[in-house]
Amino acid sequence: EAGVTQFPSHSVIEKGQTVTLRCDPISGHDNLYWYRRVMGKEIKFLLHFVKESKQDESGMPNNRFLAERTGGTYSTLKVQPAELEDSGVYFCASSQDYGRESPLHFGNGTRLTVT
Amino acid sequence: SQQGEEDPQALSIQEGENATMNCSYKTSINNLQWYRQNSGRGLVHLILIRSNEREKHSGRLRVTLDTSKKSSSLLITASRAADTASYFCATDASSGNTGKLIFGQGTTLQVKP
Repeated sequence: EAGVTQFPSHSVIEKGQTVTLRCDPISGHDNLYWYRRVMGKEIKFLLHFVKESKQDESGMPNNRFLAERTGGTYSTLKVQPAELEDSGVYFCASSQDYGRESPLHFGNGTRLTVT
Repeated sequence: SQQGEEDPQALSIQEGENATMNCSYKTSINNLQWYRQNSGRGLVHLILIRSNEREKHSGRLRVTLDTSKKSSSLLITASRAADTASYFCATDASSGNTGKLIFGQGTTLQVKP
């Protein structure tokens, strides 16, 4: 099966610009998660979709971040306007079952650099 | 404060040796999971241990969990150069059945051939 794919793999933008990250989960996986790792810190949860619904967005840092999953397939994460502290690696993950024992399948991440 | 903290932050061993990584956490958990990340790639799930389990094995991996000490260890036996990667523990402490994980900062393992 195809894994979780993320696009782009790298993005370099200037402060104040907008960037949109995309994630295609494994086909049939209803659960989709966004995580990010800011340099030198731990990987942190951003939000969780079940199909097209936001189940938990408690990790979203502020209203400059907008995640969508129209149709319950792929998801986008938009940062507008980007700030320097948004730099890091953004990971998307998906899982098939709804539950705490379903392993997450991660994409390779998008490395975002805000200059 | 972070939920998961790995120790050591970096570990370098020779091929064939065993590697032990430790993880401590702060709150009660439903389960604890270990993931591996090769450079530039995504995280790969290795093993899950439930809060009512004390030890689990999978191939060359052995995981222990001590809920009284809020700690876990990952042992990789007979290490190989291909085991070179970063290893993360992740805890599920959610009150709902969501699978939301809290990760530690990871241990970077280098296995020298």
